[in-house]
Amino acid sequence: NAGVMQNPRHLVRRRGQEARLRCSPMKGHSHVYWYRQLPEEGLKFMVYLQKENIIDESGMPKERFSAEFPKEGPSILRIQQVVRGDSAAYFCASSPAGAANQPQHFGDGTRLSIL
Amino acid sequence: GNSVTQMEGPVTLSEEAFLTINCTYTATGYPSLFWYVQYPGEGLQLLLKATKADDKGSNKGFEATYRKETTSFHLEKGSVQVSDSAVYFCALSDMGSSNTGKLIFGQGTTLQVKP
Repeated sequence: NAGVMQNPRHLVRRRGQEARLRCSPMKGHSHVYWYRQLPEEGLKFMVYLQKENIIDESGMPKERFSAEFPKEGPSILRIQQVVRGDSAAYFCASSPAGAANQPQHFGDGTRLSIL
Repeated sequence: GNSVTQMEGPVTLSEEAFLTINCTYTATGYPSLFWYVQYPGEGLQLLLKATKADDKGSNKGFEATYRKETTSFHLEKGSVQVSDSAVYFCALSDMGSSNTGKLIFGQGTTLQVKP
């Protein structure tokens, strides 16, 4: 029973390029959360999605960042025109229901490095 | 707004020592509380949780009690092992109007256990 799968594990981009991060939730989970971890810091919430819907994007920067979770396929976090400050570890988590008492299961993250 | 504060690390202990990592929170309503552990290069793993006041979460020898009167959720273990060396994150589920289950994390506490 596979856990949350993220790919790629490591991604290197030059300033101005686009970064696409993928997340496949655990089987049976239809709720996906994205978090960002800057060096030496805790995780910060970015966005919460259900299939085909963005429920809460209050933690996502207004420009250059977007997220989707289509009916078929993985959730995608997209960063356009990357800058050095986007360098971080990006974690995806899934849960069977978007409720406060449901634990979230995390993937191993994508470590994004901007040259 | 809601927040979580953890004791700063690193915490360095000898094997078989007693562990306490302090965690306090500020929140409206009655959030669920979690401890996650992160090993190097990996994602977060749920260690334990508590969903209401006076609940005690426990797993692998770790315990934490949800104390509403002191707004705390301190992590304890009676005898640590070298394999417990990791970063520990305290988190609460945001009980905002949407109650989406998004997590608010503390900054993390690094534990180093020496043989």
